Amino acid sequence: GQNIDQPTEMTATEGAIVQINCTYQTSGFNGLFWYQQHAGEAPTFLSYNVLDGLEEKGRFSSFLSRSKGYSYLLLKELQMKDSASYLCAATHAGGTSYGKLTFGQGTILTVHP
Amino acid sequence: DSGVTQTPKHLITATGQRVTLRCSPRSGDLSVYWYQQSLDQGLQFLIQYYNGEERAKGNILERFSAQQFPDLHSELNLSSLELGDSALYFCASSVDVRVGAEDTQYFGPGTRLTVL
Repeated sequence: GQNIDQPTEMTATEGAIVQINCTYQTSGFNGLFWYQQHAGEAPTFLSYNVLDGLEEKGRFSSFLSRSKGYSYLLLKELQMKDSASYLCAATHAGGTSYGKLTFGQGTILTVHP
Repeated sequence: DSGVTQTPKHLITATGQRVTLRCSPRSGDLSVYWYQQSLDQGLQFLIQYYNGEERAKGNILERFSAQQFPDLHSELNLSSLELGDSALYFCASSVDVRVGAEDTQYFGPGTRLTVL
């Protein structure tokens, strides 16, 4: 089966750094996506990790450890507009689940001035 | 703007009715995915089509069906609607599905379905 866990809510201060963790247990794991979703809007792609290690993209970085079933999204120099839900999603390598994304419940991040 | 379009944006209907949601993928994308997002369930994968063929299936109810047409647009049909079907329905598209490669799914703006 598939199980993805991430914290429900987090708060942080503008200009600070926040790390959102995600643990997963999925069969046939291929890679891990992070999406950002503002309330009532579509999820937008942030990052993808398939190999172990850190991927950096501007203010956002994502890390994956396949052996530990663990990922995190690191947001630096937080801005008010970063207040959103952050979704961790595992993609599957094969079988009847080929290509599908299994999403975590999302972490609602609130950035305070 | 992801390049994925969905219509209608909002849909209000009554229990027992049938509705059709439409999705046009990004130009060049062959795969289309449908997701349901309700407040208590998060984003749930429903079904995937690749170049007209069903590729993967999630927890899609028997009352729901989908298809992908030769021009690659897709429709999700929801019938015998219940109050619990009220949700945001997202369509996403991607180029192809290859093991180990980044096959990013780009999401449309969604259709908000309200069943009264």
